[in-house]
Parts: sequence; structure tokens; C-alpha cells
Amino acid sequence: EADIYQTPRYLVIGTGKKITLECSQTMGHDKMYWYQQDPGMELHLIHYSYGVNSTEKGDLSSESTVSRIRTEHFPLTLESARPSHTSQYLCASSELVLAGDWALETQYFGPGTRLLVL
Amino acid sequence: GEDVEQSLFLSVREGDSSVINCTYTDSSSTYLYWYKQEPGAGLQLLTYIFSNMDMKQDQRLTVLLNKKDKHLSLRIADTQTGDSAIYFCAELFTSGTYKYIFGTGTRLKVLA
Repeated sequence: EADIYQTPRYLVIGTGKKITLECSQTMGHDKMYWYQQDPGMELHLIHYSYGVNSTEKGDLSSESTVSRIRTEHFPLTLESARPSHTSQYLCASSELVLAGDWALETQYFGPGTRLLVL
Repeated sequence: GEDVEQSLFLSVREGDSSVINCTYTDSSSTYLYWYKQEPGAGLQLLTYIFSNMDMKQDQRLTVLLNKKDKHLSLRIADTQTGDSAIYFCAELFTSGTYKYIFGTGTRLKVLA
């Protein structure tokens, strides 16, 4: 069972507000990710980090920003929320584990934050 | 480009087998995965397969990999109503940037 947490689970907010979605993991993983997912649809990578002080933009252009000051914490911030930001945001972390003769890269997901911007 | 494709819907009767298919693009991918997502939840890793394997079995789950056709499938034996969910295949893209590419997801509905 992965120990990766996201808060809040649900958020309804007005246009123009600044919001921060929290993600934390207690597994000591270096790599962390943020995905945006519309309900039942594919995941789009919006940010990732390979470790402390490392952040990169993903494939999907996003007006959000991230920071990685501590290994366990990877918050995502929207400076001015808009209705087009309404979606589910999934945080994940990954590690390399030994599986027989192989090293398996495995990603673990948080429960997600459902954001509705009015 | 990087693209992982799946059929959108599958409906089966309880007790039957389900087969969910996926095609991927990066022939150099070392790792391929199947994830399950239940309503309102994050993704849960179900199983994985290494690129040097043709098949992997894990209890009711069987993963088949055809590298030549870049085709991955997940078979669920004795499908139960609790298996109703969205299933995503994913490949780990290691050319250049290290990142996961997810499929579009297949919504499996199990009829009692």
C-alpha cells in the first residue's frame, strides 16, 4: 500500500482565487508527478520532479506552478483559478525496486483532488 | 509520437473472461503496466510486464505482450462486479526524458 496523500480531496472555488493542492509521500521517493485528468479520461502529465529543487513542465501546457523544497512534499499552485481548470488532479511518486534480475520502476498514485472552479 | 491507445468500453457478464487491449508506440519501452481506477479514486497498479517477457500471470490476471505488433492485453478471468472500473495501460518512455505515457483508458462494466 502506497503512502501518498492529497488534500483537499474536493474543492469548489470561485474564479480568480489562488489555490494550492497539496501532495505528500512518506516513502522517500525522489520522483514525483502531477497529472490532470478529466473524469474517466486519459491522464496528462503537467509537472514532474526528479528530486529536491528539481521541477519540470510536462506535456500538457498548464498555468499552474510547482515547488519541491522537501523530498516528501510537492504542492501545485494555481495563481488565478478559472473554470477551464476544473478537473481532477492526481499526484504520483515513483521508485525503482528490484524484481528478480530486473529493476522495476513503479509509480504510486494519490487519491486525487477534484477541483471545480465556478 | 508518443501514443498509447485503448478501446473505450467493454461490457462482460459476471463469471466470463474480460480482455482489454492496448497498443503502444515506443518499441524500446522496458516496462509496461496495467492500472485500475475506481470512481473518484487514484490509479492502482495491477500488474506489469517487462519487455523481454511474452506473458505474465498473476492470479486472475494474465498479461500478454506482442512486441512485434506493439500490442499489450490484460485478461481478467472469472470477472466479478468488483472489477468494474477504468483500466489504463501505460508504458515507461525512457528515450530522452524519463516519463510515463498512459492510454486513454477502457471502461469495463461487469453485468450481474
